[in-house]
Amino acid sequence: GIQVEQSPPDLILQEGANSTLRCNFSDSVNNLQWFHQNPWGQLINLFYIPSGTKQNGRLSATTVATERYSLLYISSSQTTDSGVYFCAVGWGYNTDKLIFGTGTRLQVFP
Amino acid sequence: GAVVSQHPSRVICKSGTSVKIECRSLDFQATTMFWYRQFPKQSLMLMATSNEGSKATYEQGVEKDKFLINHASLTLSTLTVTSAHPEDSSFYICSARLQGPYNEQFFGPGTRLTVL
Repeated sequence: GIQVEQSPPDLILQEGANSTLRCNFSDSVNNLQWFHQNPWGQLINLFYIPSGTKQNGRLSATTVATERYSLLYISSSQTTDSGVYFCAVGWGYNTDKLIFGTGTRLQVFP
Repeated sequence: GAVVSQHPSRVICKSGTSVKIECRSLDFQATTMFWYRQFPKQSLMLMATSNEGSKATYEQGVEKDKFLINHASLTLSTLTVTSAHPEDSSFYICSARLQGPYNEQFFGPGTRLTVL
């Protein structure tokens, strides 16, 4: 099956810093989503981005499908950005199913 | 829009009992819902795909007789953990696929199950 690896596994930042999170996948995908899981466990949709670039406020994402990676950029980080960031991909004949990456745990300190 | 709810948010039960978890899409219809399980400090693992009006499709290694799924309407899927044991303690999360040209999924807030 497809492998989805995220890096770094852990990231500690001071408020105001910028960061880049990476998602590598081992096969072609038809669907890619980025999520933020807050400390209470809720998954919040950030981007639906199987290819191209999107921006939403301080966050932006880029997926280069041909090179099998996606990047999530967080600028001017805030303490509320803390949590775990997951990418998830849909692949194969059933792109409905999402395979989650290993996650990046982000802690932002004041 | 695209809100998914789960009930209950937390449940504690004795070993051997059954527990039912509900997943509802509140402002859209979902022919397909998904159930995931997440152990502490781990990623989400897909357990099964719930299809409205038909049988669920289970991932390899997931016991269908232990995790019963019913998707009786376009807004409701239920997961019943039968004869729960302590090793079934986990965080269960459902999602619903928004119908349209994309396959974007939206997630419920999760249910934390503790089996004593």
